[in-house]
Amino acid sequence: AQSVTQLDSHVSVSEGTPVLLRCNYSSSYSPSLFWYVQHPNKGLQLLLKYTSAATLVKGINGFEAEFKKSETSFHLTKPSAHMSDAAEYFCVVGNTGFQKLVFGTGTRLLVSP
Amino acid sequence: NAGVTQTPKFQVLKTGQSMTLQCAQDMNHEYMSWYRQDPGMGLRLIHYSVGAGITDQGEVPNGYNVSRSTTEDFPLRLLSAAPSQTSVYFCASSYGTSTGELFFGEGSRLTVL
Repeated sequence: AQSVTQLDSHVSVSEGTPVLLRCNYSSSYSPSLFWYVQHPNKGLQLLLKYTSAATLVKGINGFEAEFKKSETSFHLTKPSAHMSDAAEYFCVVGNTGFQKLVFGTGTRLLVSP
Repeated sequence: NAGVTQTPKFQVLKTGQSMTLQCAQDMNHEYMSWYRQDPGMGLRLIHYSVGAGITDQGEVPNGYNVSRSTTEDFPLRLLSAAPSQTSVYFCASSYGTSTGELFFGEGSRLTVL
């Protein structure tokens, strides 16, 4: 069985400061991991994905995530937050063939001026 | 380019009524799926399809039916609505099952009284 745990339900940062959204995963085999973003009243959009290539993955809008097998983590980071980054972020693990993606419970990022 | 289109965006039902949520995609994607999103629970897979004529159950299929007669359309049917089915429903599609990148519709908010 696979699962992901997003360690924070809410994260608040000031504009221009770094962002860290934490995700731990559990998988019985080598996982594929994703981060999706959901802006208010919108569908989800893929930010980035890890599929056993480079452990540091770069995504859209300056976000990146590092796969750490020893820590079973896939944390999402951004050096400098922008007001437009305010949204809900989901960490996701996929099985072979990606037919059944398992979503975390989400982290709401709040960005203040 | 429309992408994934869901209708209706909002619906209120009484307990016991039936309805169909429509989903259409114009990207010739093989894979389509339905998720429900509830506060604090992330997204949970209801049903999915890997091609026309092929459907399978996800994590929470009870109370929902699907069919896939064409590549473009994947309707979700609620046979006898219950208050527990109050949720936001998302349809998602992808070219295949090898990438893990889902394209989401903007959601359908359903309230069952």
